[in-house]
Amino acid sequence: RKEVEQDPGPFNVPEGATVAFNCTYSNSASQSFFWYRQDCRKEPKLLMSVYSSGNEDGRFTAQLNRASQYISLLIRDSKLSDSATYLCVVNLGGGSYIPTFGRGTSLIVHP
Amino acid sequence: GAGVSQTPSNKVTEKGKYVELRCDPISGHTALYWYRQSLGQGPEFLIYFQGTGAADDSGLPNDRFFAVRPEGSVSTLKIQRTERGDSAVYLCASSPTSGQPQHFGDGTRLSIL
Repeated sequence: RKEVEQDPGPFNVPEGATVAFNCTYSNSASQSFFWYRQDCRKEPKLLMSVYSSGNEDGRFTAQLNRASQYISLLIRDSKLSDSATYLCVVNLGGGSYIPTFGRGTSLIVHP
Repeated sequence: GAGVSQTPSNKVTEKGKYVELRCDPISGHTALYWYRQSLGQGPEFLIYFQGTGAADDSGLPNDRFFAVRPEGSVSTLKIQRTERGDSAVYLCASSPTSGQPQHFGDGTRLSIL
């Protein structure tokens, strides 16, 4: 089992739709979690950190479920410009600061 | 600029050659990471530095790969006797300290012929 797993997609949604991605992690000692966005042939860019209580940034909501060991990203009112690959990142903890990336979930928003 | 800078942006070389990839992190960031990314995959961790020392090099695939950060700022990833399987985008990232969100450079696209 991979340490961090994501459905690669693609998720194909119309503008204005709400879409959600999940990311599961295997190490229960994991301590910090992030979502990054990566456009084609570009570098990953931080979208948002994921806090235990859940957090929201505009149209984006991130949640953490420690019991089931997954994080989620919800995008409301999708825009064409949201089309990208969304990478989840888990710092495995236990004294390790190695960020482990999922393979990413591809989102395509169409008119 | 104030971001992470990587050079060269592209490198094409022949199998068996030696290559060096450079990363200039954001000023003041003590943590520096190297990753390798292949098409359709997420970045794969190679090594990270906290200051001048390699805090964890467990991701380096074999002894052909080596990285240094002698003054705690610029880092160089060195690959000896390159193989076609080394072809990938090599990404560098830095953060203020370990465990915090990272800022990535544009990457070096390495092609081994």
